[in-house]
Amino acid sequence: AQSVTQLGSHVSVSEGALVLLRCNYSSSVPPYLFWYVQYPNQGLQLLLKYTSAATLVKGINGFEAEFKKSETSFHLTKPSAHMSDAAEYFCAVSDGRSSASKIIFGSGTRLSIRP
Amino acid sequence: DAGITQSPRHKVTETGTPVTLRCHQTENHRYMYWYRQDPGHGLRLIHYSYGVKDTDKGEVSDGYSVSRSKTEDFLLTLESATSSQTSVYFCATLGESTEAFFGQGTRLTVV
Repeated sequence: AQSVTQLGSHVSVSEGALVLLRCNYSSSVPPYLFWYVQYPNQGLQLLLKYTSAATLVKGINGFEAEFKKSETSFHLTKPSAHMSDAAEYFCAVSDGRSSASKIIFGSGTRLSIRP
Repeated sequence: DAGITQSPRHKVTETGTPVTLRCHQTENHRYMYWYRQDPGHGLRLIHYSYGVKDTDKGEVSDGYSVSRSKTEDFLLTLESATSSQTSVYFCATLGESTEAFFGQGTRLTVV
């Protein structure tokens, strides 16, 4: 069975500060890992994904995440926060190699940006 | 966008009535998913489909059923709606790539 744990339901940072959103996963097979962003009253948009290639993954809007197998982590970072980054962020895991692949999400982290 | 349309976008219904939500896709994606989103719980998988007439339960399937008679349509039915099923429902699809695409959501209120 797969699961995702996002540490911190709400993170607040100042504009220009480092953004760090934490995600730990559990998977019995090599996982695919994802970060999605959701702006108010919208659906989810893919930020980045890890599918067993490079462990450091770069995504849209200056975000990146590093896959660390030894720590079962896939934390999302951005060097300098912008006001437009305020949104809810979801980490997700799937066993994309199976014939009945499903995608499991974490409970989400709401990111607030202080002026 | 992956051409995912959810209908209706908003619905208010009474406790005990049946409700069907529709997800329609134009990308010929194999996998389709129904999630519900509630504060503090993120997105929880209700049911998913890995082909026509091939469906399976997710984490929170009690009180829900699904059907997929065509590749493009995935229906979610609440047999007898309860207040605990008030939520925002999202449909998603997955094709040959590893990226899931999401619809805009259906806000369901059960009164």
